[in-house]
Formats: sequence, C-alpha cells, structure tokens
Amino acid sequence: SQTIHQWPATLVQPVGSPLSLECTVEGTSNPNLYWYRQAAGRGLQLLFYSVGIGQISSEVPQNLSASRPQDRQFILSSKKLLLSDSGFYLCAWRPWTGRDTGELFFGEGSRLTVL
Amino acid sequence: GQNIDQPTEMTATEGAIVQINCTYQTSGFNGLFWYQQHAGEAPTFLSYNVLDGLEEKGRFSSFLSRSKGYSYLLLKELQMKDSASYLCAVWDSNYQLIWGAGTKLIIKP
Repeated sequence: SQTIHQWPATLVQPVGSPLSLECTVEGTSNPNLYWYRQAAGRGLQLLFYSVGIGQISSEVPQNLSASRPQDRQFILSSKKLLLSDSGFYLCAWRPWTGRDTGELFFGEGSRLTVL
Repeated sequence: GQNIDQPTEMTATEGAIVQINCTYQTSGFNGLFWYQQHAGEAPTFLSYNVLDGLEEKGRFSSFLSRSKGYSYLLLKELQMKDSASYLCAVWDSNYQLIWGAGTKLIIKP
C-alpha cells in the first residue's frame, strides 16, 4: 500500500533562518507531488507541484523553493524565512494511473512558526 | 477569477442531519471533491462528484449540480467525531485543484 510521510511535524524558527521540509512517498512510482500551505482559517494554497524528477512548477512567487531529487522525494526549502512564512505545510501526492480521479493523499503536515 | 464559496462555520446537534453547501465559479470543471480536516491534521478524502446527482457513502452523501455550480455535503446521524472542517475543492480545466476556505462544523451534545 502507498504511504506518504513528511517531517518535521513542528518547527519554530527565527526570521532569516533557513528551512527544509522533506516528504517521501512509498509504494508507488512516478507520483504527482504537491506542496501546499494553509494559513489559519484559509483554504489550501498550492505552492509547488512536480510531475517528475527535476520538474518543478511554482504557483506563487515567494522566497520558497522546491526540489525533487528522486522520484518519490519532494523537498521544500527557504534560504531566509519571513514572518509571513508561518503556517501549516502539507505535502500531497496523486497517483498517475491513466484513469485519474484526482484524489489527493496528504502527509501528516508540518506546522511552522517563524518568530 | 476562480472562486469557491462555503459557509465559514456551522453548528449542529449530535444525532441530527447537517447540509454544508458549496458554490463555485471556475475556469472549466473536471470534478468536485469534499475533504474532512480535523484540527491540526491533514485533510482526508470524503467524496468525488463529476456527474450531476447524489453520491451516497454511508452516513455521508454529496450532491452536484454542474449547471448551477453547486454542491452540498450531507452528514446524517451526526457524531461528536464529525466535528471538523469540511473543504470543498474543484478540479478546473487545467486539472488544478481550487480550494474553498472550509466550513468548520461544531457538533453539540
């Protein structure tokens, strides 16, 4: 069966510090991978998505970046965090089955507080 | 622009029935999803509608009217564990998910 994990679960970081959130998917090949951010009381905001190794699409211009060094690994990074980067970050995957229902499977989430 | 509207918060009583509405205006339509999200946790998939009509899955049902840009999620025999946020999301013509802000459902004994 397929599983998705992301870590760390909780982060408290000072302004200007770097960030690295990691997500891995097991039990599937060539998944579509996504990074979302959810601010309190707001909808999910798509940050990045990837359809394959090294292929990253950015939806929102900001000081975050993403990389996909391996098929089932997706990393969200920042060189210098801003206060506005605080939020709940969610990694998600969607299977590429040819008969695509679009259902997303989410990781456990990473709560980032920038002070 | 693309927009999904759903009520911010609803309150219901344990054992009762509640209907959560969602209206959407998107560039194209390839399906509508409902997700449940408990506080501090990730969303989990509830239902997917792509054709008009009602889809029933246990205590939960989801309805879609594409001509009206409208969907609802119906929860029957409410339980305390149903207290959560319910997110409506639409798959647009580019197969990107557009998310509503979610409806926080509070269940009272």
